[in-house]
Amino acid sequence: KAGVTQTPRYLIKTRGQQVTLSCSPISGHRSVSWYQQTPGQGLQFLFEYFSETQRNKGNFPGRFSGRQFSNSRSEMNVSTLELGDSALYLCASSFNEKKQFFGPGTRLTVL
Amino acid sequence: GQQLNQSPQSMFIQEGEDVSMNCTSSSIFNTWLWYKQDPGEGPVLLIALYKAGELTSNGRLTAQFGITRKDSFLNISASIPSDVGIYFCAGVKTNTGNQFYFGTGTSLTVIP
Repeated sequence: KAGVTQTPRYLIKTRGQQVTLSCSPISGHRSVSWYQQTPGQGLQFLFEYFSETQRNKGNFPGRFSGRQFSNSRSEMNVSTLELGDSALYLCASSFNEKKQFFGPGTRLTVL
Repeated sequence: GQQLNQSPQSMFIQEGEDVSMNCTSSSIFNTWLWYKQDPGEGPVLLIALYKAGELTSNGRLTAQFGITRKDSFLNISASIPSDVGIYFCAGVKTNTGNQFYFGTGTSLTVIP
């Protein structure tokens, strides 16, 4: 089975722009979670989608949003980018929801 | 969100030595997971634990689910240079779906 894939792997944006990141879960996995990882803050939970519905949400501002499609693929959008949004964004999928499998991440740099 | 207390924060060891790290929380978890992350990559699942007291091995790695369900331990025996990376623990609670809480990470450096 192919693992979790994320595109793009690297992205450079400027302040004020918006960005969309994509995640394709492992085939058969219906739960997709997004995390922000920075050196100082570790792994911070953004949100989780299950069957196209947002099931859980972390403490991030409304500029961070996501959605899930009927094929379980998920996208994450960040609007009005700030310098502090520079991070590795990780997507994780799960089947029985007791284990999560991570993708390689998207490295976002905001200038 | 809630983060687990993971220690030590970093370790520098000689090749061949054994390594121990742990994760503690004030909360009870249903599942404990251990991941390893290489620079610029996503975390890779190493071991999953589902019952209090459970001891599970994966090659040179052994992890235990604490009896109180509030902690977990990871041991690496006879370390090798490719063990270098950041190790994360994760505790899983089952509420509305499953919620994952991650440790702050242990950075491991193995000196050849």
